[in-house]
Amino acid sequence: GAVVSQHPSRVICKSGTSVKIECRSLDFQATTMFWYRQFPKKSLMLMATSNEGSKATYEQGVEKDKFLINHASLTLSTLTVTSAHPEDSSFYICSARAGSSYEQYFGPGTRLTVT
Amino acid sequence: AQSVAQPEDQVNVAEGNPLTVKCTYSVSGNPYLFWYVQYPNRGLQFLLKYITGDNLVKGSYGFEAEFNKSQTSFHLKKPSALVSDSALYFCAVRVNSNSGYALNFGKGTSLLVTP
Repeated sequence: GAVVSQHPSRVICKSGTSVKIECRSLDFQATTMFWYRQFPKKSLMLMATSNEGSKATYEQGVEKDKFLINHASLTLSTLTVTSAHPEDSSFYICSARAGSSYEQYFGPGTRLTVT
Repeated sequence: AQSVAQPEDQVNVAEGNPLTVKCTYSVSGNPYLFWYVQYPNRGLQFLLKYITGDNLVKGSYGFEAEFNKSQTSFHLKKPSALVSDSALYFCAVRVNSNSGYALNFGKGTSLLVTP
């Protein structure tokens, strides 16, 4: 149980375009989903937290107009990187938590490359 | 601020030998501590957590961790390493983010188990 999927697993896009990444909890209802960014050989940086049906809360330094997050249902959150630039190239990982559980279940990640 | 530190970038151990991956924490109040493992180009997999109770916590794949309050440590251990244990290991602590509880990760420790 507690499986989280991400789609796509890998995406290459051109500068200036937008890219949407989906995060789904497959076998549980995720009241809260988290989006992280991971640079090569670096730790995960929390970008934002989304609760189903409400606006995402962004961490300091993360541009909410650039990284649009939508948590439309209890099993789906999306991250849209708008007007992508090469410096947005990174590994994006989502995680999901059910209710007040302490544990977060992580998706397999999405490798974004902006050319 | 609630944080964890992983002092080692890399740990090398021979297969069959015991392994230890170090983590220290800096937390006000009672810490909620976690260990995750990440294989290349994959998301994070939960290994174990300490919330309260016994200081020795047993987790997945034969891993365990000992919570030591006097040394503010939460080292990950395994009695006999396998080559397949080679991966990136992250210690994490639960923190209050802008929107509630999230995880702060250490920088990660790369474990290499040689045959």
